[in-house]
Order: sequence, then structure tokens, then C-alpha cells
Amino acid sequence: DTEVTQTPKHLVMGMTNKKSLKCEQHMGHRAMYWYKQKAKKPPELMFVYSYEKLSINESVPSRFSPECPNSSLLNLHLHALQPEDSALYLCASSQGVGGRWTEAFFGQGTRLTVV
Amino acid sequence: SQQGEEDPQALSIQEGENATMNCSYKTSINNLQWYRQNSGRGLVHLILIRSNEREKHSGRLRVTLDTSKKSSSLLITASRAADTASYFCATASYYGNNRLAFGKGNQVVVIP
Repeated sequence: DTEVTQTPKHLVMGMTNKKSLKCEQHMGHRAMYWYKQKAKKPPELMFVYSYEKLSINESVPSRFSPECPNSSLLNLHLHALQPEDSALYLCASSQGVGGRWTEAFFGQGTRLTVV
Repeated sequence: SQQGEEDPQALSIQEGENATMNCSYKTSINNLQWYRQNSGRGLVHLILIRSNEREKHSGRLRVTLDTSKKSSSLLITASRAADTASYFCATASYYGNNRLAFGKGNQVVVIP
């Protein structure tokens, strides 16, 4: 199984809503990532979990809250978002071998629209 | 954070022609990777080249890496309409830091 599964595929939420994005992988990877991508732009790193611990937080606003319940799951909790947060949110995972990280496997993303 | 940068950013070619994209980066790297993205969905890993490698092939793909110039190129030979996509290079830093930073990307259109 070389898939990273993201749910939901599409999400429309109001600025007062609370929602969660979910990501799952069963490749035994020990690093999981959240990226944000706006149209015609490259993915921007938001968070990295290594061995279930938050290792990188790219100064993302607190209205985005990541969670890594176990080595296979990664969530992104959303609260009080702004319309400019509308984007494609991508989850990825990768494996570390001898201190070197390998290629990342990406999910198909969640297309988020904040209204 | 380090960003790879590609040049050119838009390329339109006829089917069967070769497509070449370049990428430059700023700091030391562990490896450099190329990804393809179709229609704003998930990215698909194409090829990874390590800092001690100079050239790598995978099917119709050829990647070169020049660490002295901090640059890489991706060549797609005998392009097909299905190669129409956005292509991104991404750099991975050295040990203990698994930040993967993406460059601006190239939009490639292959005309049948």
C-alpha cells in the first residue's frame, strides 16, 4: 500500500465553523506533513511531524491546529478560518533511513473553501 | 527556508519533442526531488537525486545535479500529451531536518 488517503476531498466551511482534515498512511513512514497550496503556486510547508512529535511549525496561525494521534494518522483542526485560507491542503509522508529522508508520498488533497 | 527555483515557468511543446526544466537552489542539500502535479491535485514523486550523484535516469526522465552551481535540470524525452502537468523541484536539507521545500514550478503543455 503506497497511498496517502485524505478526507474529505472537498470542504466548504463558514468562518465560525470548526472542522478537521484527516490523513492516513500505512507505509510505516515516520514523518508526516501538512502543506498549503494556493492556485498556480508551489506547496508551502505548514507542519512536520517526526516520530509523532511536531518538529517543524512554519509560524502557521493558531487557527490551524495539527494533531498526530499515532504514526499512521495526521489531523488538521480548523477553527475561525478566513476566506484567504481557502486553498488545497496536502498531506504527505516520508521515511527516514539512516538520518536521510526519502521521497514524499502525497495524498490527493482537500480542496477547502472558506465562506 | 530553502526554495528551489525553476526556469522557465511555462513551456508548450509538440508531442514527441523533449522538455527541459531547470531548478536552482541556495544552500546545501541532502537530495533534490522532482514532482509532477496534474490539475491541482496531489503531487507525484518522479525522481530523487542525492547530493553525491550527478545524473540519474528513470524511463523517459533524466535528471542532472550540479552542486557546485546549485542547480538541477529535468529532461523529459519524447513527450506525450499525458505529460501535460505542473512540475516542481524540491530540496531536502541535511540530516535531522526533513523539511522539503518546493520551487515555483513549471507548467508544461504537450500539444498532441
